[in-house]
Amino acid sequence: AQKITQTQPGMFVQEKEAVTLDCTYDTSDQSYGLFWYKQPSSGEMIFLIYQGSYDEQNATEGRYSLNFQKARKSANLVISASQLGDSAMYFCAMREGKAAGNKLTFGGGTRVLVKP
Amino acid sequence: DTGVSQNPRHKITKRGQNVTFRCDPISEHNRLYWYRQTLGQGPEFLTYFQNEAQLEKSRLLSDRFSAERPKGSFSTLEIQRTEQGDSAMYLCASSTWTARGNNEQFFGPGTRLTVL
Repeated sequence: AQKITQTQPGMFVQEKEAVTLDCTYDTSDQSYGLFWYKQPSSGEMIFLIYQGSYDEQNATEGRYSLNFQKARKSANLVISASQLGDSAMYFCAMREGKAAGNKLTFGGGTRVLVKP
Repeated sequence: DTGVSQNPRHKITKRGQNVTFRCDPISEHNRLYWYRQTLGQGPEFLTYFQNEAQLEKSRLLSDRFSAERPKGSFSTLEIQRTEQGDSAMYLCASSTWTARGNNEQFFGPGTRLTVL
């Protein structure tokens, strides 16, 4: 089974509107971390936001928020007030286990195109 | 520039040749990771180091691949007898312990390998 599933291969969003990117995960670990990264056409992976499995509140970082539903094993990314510069690939990733340095497992990504 | 750097940024080689990539992590980051990303996919974990010790290797890392981090600073990834299937973006990332425990990985710009 896929550990990280992103079901939306591509999305259009109007500038200044909000967009939600879906991510579901699969793990038997109680301790894990969920990450979202942005990859513009230049190729570099840019860290956006983190949610720990024991965090009771949803993470927020500026215009990014993470809708964490533990029972459903989902960690959707919400981008508010979309900007043209938000056009990029977005990857959801998971780190399993207690060891904070563990590898990341990535989903297949969602391509977002912001329309003016 | 204090981010993760990778050299070269692009490499074109003929099948059967050996190639070596270099990664310089963020200063004082003790963990260093290598990932491979093929077109349209999310990054896949290859290996990681804590200081100079190589702690985990993926099954993707065949015996033609070798990675080193001799002094716990920069790292090299060598691919011997390259095959066309090795064509991909090779990403390096580094991280260190944080009080929050998120330990996000910071990625370099990648080395794009094309095997002809």
